Amino acid sequence: DQQVKQNSPSLSVQEGRISILNCDYTNSMFDYFLWYKKYPAEGPTFLISISSIKDKNEDGRFTVFLNKSAKHLSLHIVPSQPGDSAVYFCAASAKGGAQKLVFGQGTRLTINP
Amino acid sequence: DVKVTQSSRYLVKRTGEKVFLECVQDMDHENMFWYRQDPGLGLRLIYFSYDVKMKEKGDIPEGYSVSREKKERFSLILESASTNQTSMYLCAAQPGGNQPQHFGDGTRLSIL
Repeated sequence: DQQVKQNSPSLSVQEGRISILNCDYTNSMFDYFLWYKKYPAEGPTFLISISSIKDKNEDGRFTVFLNKSAKHLSLHIVPSQPGDSAVYFCAASAKGGAQKLVFGQGTRLTINP
Repeated sequence: DVKVTQSSRYLVKRTGEKVFLECVQDMDHENMFWYRQDPGLGLRLIYFSYDVKMKEKGDIPEGYSVSREKKERFSLILESASTNQTSMYLCAAQPGGNQPQHFGDGTRLSIL
């Protein structure tokens, strides 16, 4: 049972345009959501997070939106740059416990010059 | 910045061998985690530890065990390696609460 789903395995965007990566979840107990970026042969790097008490969080070119009623979150990257080409994972954790993360399958983003 | 170091980047072992993967963190974080990453499946949690000598099973613990004798070190053990354990293994550390986990660079393990 996949509690966190990224339905697009890949996405191709032109440099300078907006990249939008999507993520859906099923567990209503999730209250903390994160996005990680992963280059080949490296570990995932934390990008941005959002708590369930918010619906938007911004950090420079990166904005995460949370729609709790739809159980959907998205990551917007504006403007997209070649260095943004990587695999992006969304992750979620539930209230309490040791903050176990449940990850989506990942979306490979390619930024074309 | 948190530094999470995994002892090997690449490892090749034979079926039936006992395999040890080591992970060390330098920030005195409470929680440590072991994941495996497989294409199309994302990262799946094998085991985690929230204190020295404390451990809990994750989603796919079968065939694995862990050891945390010191706060900074978390070891993953494959008791008798099998070919379906060929994967990328990732270790992470976290201070606790709603804080991000910080990952090492991973160990690509091949079981022949």
